[in-house]
Amino acid sequence: TQLLEQSPQFLSIQEGENLTVYCNSSSVFSSLQWYRQEPGEGPVLLVTVVTGGEVKKLKRLTFQFGDARKDSSLHITAAQPGDTGLYLCAGGGATNKLIFGTGTLLAVQP
Amino acid sequence: EAGVAQSPRYKIIEKRQSVAFWCNPISGHATLYWYQQILGQGPKLLIQFQNNGVVDDSQLPKDRFSAERLKGVDSTLKIQPAKLEDSAVYLCASSLVGFLAGGLYNEQFFGPGTRLTVL
Repeated sequence: TQLLEQSPQFLSIQEGENLTVYCNSSSVFSSLQWYRQEPGEGPVLLVTVVTGGEVKKLKRLTFQFGDARKDSSLHITAAQPGDTGLYLCAGGGATNKLIFGTGTLLAVQP
Repeated sequence: EAGVAQSPRYKIIEKRQSVAFWCNPISGHATLYWYQQILGQGPKLLIQFQNNGVVDDSQLPKDRFSAERLKGVDSTLKIQPAKLEDSAVYLCASSLVGFLAGGLYNEQFFGPGTRLTVL
């Protein structure tokens, strides 16, 4: 069974601080995606990484796919209250299916 | 482009009752998914359809859950009878890519979900 463990599970920080969320697995994935989910809504895709060692930047968010394609990280610089939400990593394999991580709940206090 | 539609948004029932959820995916998306999400956790796949055929239902509790996608468009998920532990958000998602081939990936578009409370 493929599992994706995220850490930390909960994170409460002040506006302007930096943070990193980790997504780890013992399985290899062909792609790794990060989603953000706000209360009462479905998850929304932030980024997809498909190459081991790949780094993608989206404004204040930096995503990295591990060299072995088993892990990933999301770094947010100068967090803002609008970044509050549930962050989910999701691994893709040979089938058109995603395995979602355990989730990291982020609260950014103004 | 219209997103994935789900109804109802909220449902409260008593245990042992039955309930049904409806999903209308994005037009042209061949693949449709139903997920169960416990509060604060990641979504768990219940069933995946490719057009009107089932691709994966290995985590669907088939003694009480059923789903169909008769014409390859809309889908319905039913629970009968409901248990307390079925309280969760039920998410529907759809995607464009049918099957992956090296380097491809699928982006899933999610509906807002149906929050089910079983009393």
